[in-house]
Amino acid sequence: AQSVTQPDIHITVSEGASLELRCNYSYGATPYLFWYVQSPGQGLQLLLKYFSGDTLVQGIKGFEAEFKRSQSSFNLRKPSVHWSDAAEYFCAVASRGGDYKLSFGAGTTVTVRA
Amino acid sequence: EPEVTQTPSHQVTQMGQEVILRCVPISNHLYFYWYRQILGQKVEFLVSFYNNEISEKSEIFDDQFSVERPDGSNFTLKIRSTKLEDSAMYFCASLPVGKRGYTFGSGTRLTVV
Repeated sequence: AQSVTQPDIHITVSEGASLELRCNYSYGATPYLFWYVQSPGQGLQLLLKYFSGDTLVQGIKGFEAEFKRSQSSFNLRKPSVHWSDAAEYFCAVASRGGDYKLSFGAGTTVTVRA
Repeated sequence: EPEVTQTPSHQVTQMGQEVILRCVPISNHLYFYWYRQILGQKVEFLVSFYNNEISEKSEIFDDQFSVERPDGSNFTLKIRSTKLEDSAMYFCASLPVGKRGYTFGSGTRLTVV
C-alpha cells in the first residue's frame, strides 16, 4: 500500500528565511507526487506536481520541489518565506494506474515569525 | 479558471439525521472523488466515482454513506444517520480524462451535535 510520511509536524521559520519541508513516500513504482497548502478553515490549493521529466518542479508562490527517486523523497522548498506562507502543507501521492486516488501525508504546520 | 463548487460551506446537524453534501464538479471532468479531513488530522480518501458508479471506496465509506450523480452536473455525498465522529471537512474533487490534475472544492465543514 502506498504511504506518505512528513516527518516534521511543525516548523517555525523567520520571515525571509528559507524553508524546506520533507516528504517521503513508499510505493512500488514512482507515483505522481503533489504538494498542497491549506490555510486555516480553507480548502486545498495545489502548489505543484510531478508526473515525469525534470526532477526539479516549479510551483506557485515561489515554491519548488525536487523528486529524488533514490531517496523516495519529494521535498518542498522556498528560498525566502513570507508571513502569508504560514499554513499547513500536505504532500500527497497518487498511483499512475487505477483510479488515481490520493494518499496524503499527515501535514506540516508552518509558522512564520516576524 | 474552472472551479469545483461545494455547498453548503458549513452544516450543523443533529446526530442521527441524514445530510447531503453537494458538489458541482468541473463540467468536462469524468472522475469524481470525496475526501474528508477530521480536525487536526490528515486528508483521507472516501470514494471515487466514474461512469456513474463507484470505482473504489475506503473502509470509512460504510453503508451509512452513498454517492450519486443525479443529473449529470451535481455529485452528492449522503450520510444516512450521522454520528459525532462524522464531524469533519468534506472535500469534493474532480479529474479530467487525462487524469493529470485534481481540482478540489473549498470543502463543507460538517458538525454533528
